[in-house]
Amino acid sequence: GESVGLHLPTLSVQEGDNSIINCAYSNSASDYFIWYKQESGKGPQFIIDIRSNMDKRQGQRVTVLLNKTVKHLSLQIAATQPGDSAVYFCAEPNNAGNMLTFGGGTRLMVKP
Amino acid sequence: ETGVTQSPTHLIKTRGQQVTLRCSSQSGHNTVSWYQQALGQGPQFIFQYYREEENGRGNFPPRFSGLQFPNYSSELNVNALELDDSALYLCASSLPEGAYNEQFFGPGTRLTVL
Repeated sequence: GESVGLHLPTLSVQEGDNSIINCAYSNSASDYFIWYKQESGKGPQFIIDIRSNMDKRQGQRVTVLLNKTVKHLSLQIAATQPGDSAVYFCAEPNNAGNMLTFGGGTRLMVKP
Repeated sequence: ETGVTQSPTHLIKTRGQQVTLRCSSQSGHNTVSWYQQALGQGPQFIFQYYREEENGRGNFPPRFSGLQFPNYSSELNVNALELDDSALYLCASSLPEGAYNEQFFGPGTRLTVL
């Protein structure tokens, strides 16, 4: 069945460095993935998404990479800022598109 | 900030009680989904409402029920509360047309069951 998981529960980076958050999935038929950012006291906020017909997608300071061979995706944040401190989730909708399955989350801590 | 609002922000109940949580969707969104997020975990899908009917349900017992109103707002009801029901309850609104559409999350209601 579908499952989405994360490798590391906590990532600590120096301000200005690049951050990489990883996520593994198990369903080889999965065709759409989403990264969410959740700040303390708030709900998850959409960051960027990627479809399985792409290997890479770039946004503003963020890049998502998808490796279908090993069923792995990553979120890269360039020049990490204190405002990037949050928990990051990868998520995947089901085929009906009415349900999101979230991974356990990675907490990103940015040191000044 | 999304246009999704939830009330109350915090709630404390005792085991066995019943609770009702409320959600107002973003303007124009006719679909509401509810998620339970235990501390330190990712959100888990409870159910979705579309046109006032349940449109998909996750692995939650029947004591978790919901309603959607003609103005698209929604309620989540939980009966016979258990300690493990302590969590952040998130509401998300979206438009259902076509394939998956982005879900916009509210800030959540923090429920503590003692």
